[in-house]
Amino acid sequence: SQQGEEDPQALSIQEGENATMNCSYKTSINNLQWYRQNSGRGLVHLILIRSNEREKHSGRLRVTLDTSKKSSSLLITASRAADTASYFCATDETGANNLFFGTGTRLTVIP
Amino acid sequence: EAQVTQNPRYLITVTGKKLTVTCSQNMNHEYMSWYRQDPGLGLRQIYYSMNVEVTDKGDVPEGYKVSRKEKRNFPLILESPSPNQTSLYFCASSLWPPGGNQPQHFGDGTRLSIL
Repeated sequence: SQQGEEDPQALSIQEGENATMNCSYKTSINNLQWYRQNSGRGLVHLILIRSNEREKHSGRLRVTLDTSKKSSSLLITASRAADTASYFCATDETGANNLFFGTGTRLTVIP
Repeated sequence: EAQVTQNPRYLITVTGKKLTVTCSQNMNHEYMSWYRQDPGLGLRQIYYSMNVEVTDKGDVPEGYKVSRKEKRNFPLILESPSPNQTSLYFCASSLWPPGGNQPQHFGDGTRLSIL
């Protein structure tokens, strides 16, 4: 399997600042998805970006995808304490029947 | 409310005692899967199902069984649990299999401890 890899592993910022997380992967993909996980809870889908898209927005979230570099970034603007969670990228690889998740970025937003 | 429901949420048991973790979704989704989450390893897929009576192995299937007799249910069976199966387990479903540009919907997780 080819898991995505998130960077950094952990990120701590002040409330109001922007948070950027990166994801790299190794194979051709149909789409890349970002999920959020509050401590010990299930993952919640945030945003899906297709392989032919370069940028997508949803509220305070902005996702970019560079298929030539096999990388994606998730930007959370004007962060809030409630954004504290782990964030995972998941790749939907061409020809595969499952998603491959990375190990996640742990974001802490300090009030 | 659209949801994926797992039971139990927590279970402590002993080596060798068969257990089943149930998963049910009410969204008429075709695709269902099971993951385990371990520190430093992220989520790894155990088994998935494309539709009723169609199941296949994921990345870490050893020691697990599944069945898909009905569209809404996808139980995970540990016939003879061992301590290395202590983990946090998630069931997920989506309208179509990966490739269909659909998000996954996750249950709240089942924390298994096998002594």
